[in-house]
Amino acid sequence: EAGVAQSPRYKIIEKRQSVAFWCNPISGHATLYWYQQILGQGPKLLIQFQNNGVVDDSQLPKDRFSAERLKGVDSTLKIQPAKLEDSAVYLCASSLLRGTGELFFGEGSRLTVL
Amino acid sequence: SQQGEEDPQALSIQEGENATMNCSYKTSINNLQWYRQNSGRGLVHLILIRSNEREKHSGRLRVTLDTSKKSSSLLITASRAADTASYFCASLIQGAQKLVFGQGTRLTINP
Repeated sequence: EAGVAQSPRYKIIEKRQSVAFWCNPISGHATLYWYQQILGQGPKLLIQFQNNGVVDDSQLPKDRFSAERLKGVDSTLKIQPAKLEDSAVYLCASSLLRGTGELFFGEGSRLTVL
Repeated sequence: SQQGEEDPQALSIQEGENATMNCSYKTSINNLQWYRQNSGRGLVHLILIRSNEREKHSGRLRVTLDTSKKSSSLLITASRAADTASYFCASLIQGAQKLVFGQGTRLTINP
């Protein structure tokens, strides 16, 4: 079974530029999550989708971050414009059902903002 | 703020020894999960314990949950060099159905 795919693995941009990350969850997983993990910290939930609807985006900085999940499968997370403090690893995860068992994580996309 | 606090932040032991990590959380939960993260990689699920369970085992892992103290512990027995990683507890908040992670414990196993 293929795991959660993310791209790009690494991205370096200058502040005020934009960046987009892509995630393809495990086939059949209805719930998709984007987490932000700053170096030395635990992952922080940015947004949670159930199929193609948003169920929680309370910690998403909506003035600069946006995310969509078209057709309830792939998802894209965009940052525009980027700030220095956005330097982090952006982790995508999926689960079969919301609010039940384990999450399956991708390898993450490491963003460095200069 | 993060739901979970983990203790210790870092732990270094000799191969073959047991490692114990603790986690505390703030609000009512449906379950608590432990994940491992190797350097530069994604998180991998280790074990899940439901709010009505007190102890669970999986191989060399033993997890306990005390809902009255809002705390959990992860014990890794007979540690190996390959266990070197960061370990995170994650609590599924009741009602919100949101999985919130702690700050993690960085475990180093010395050969």
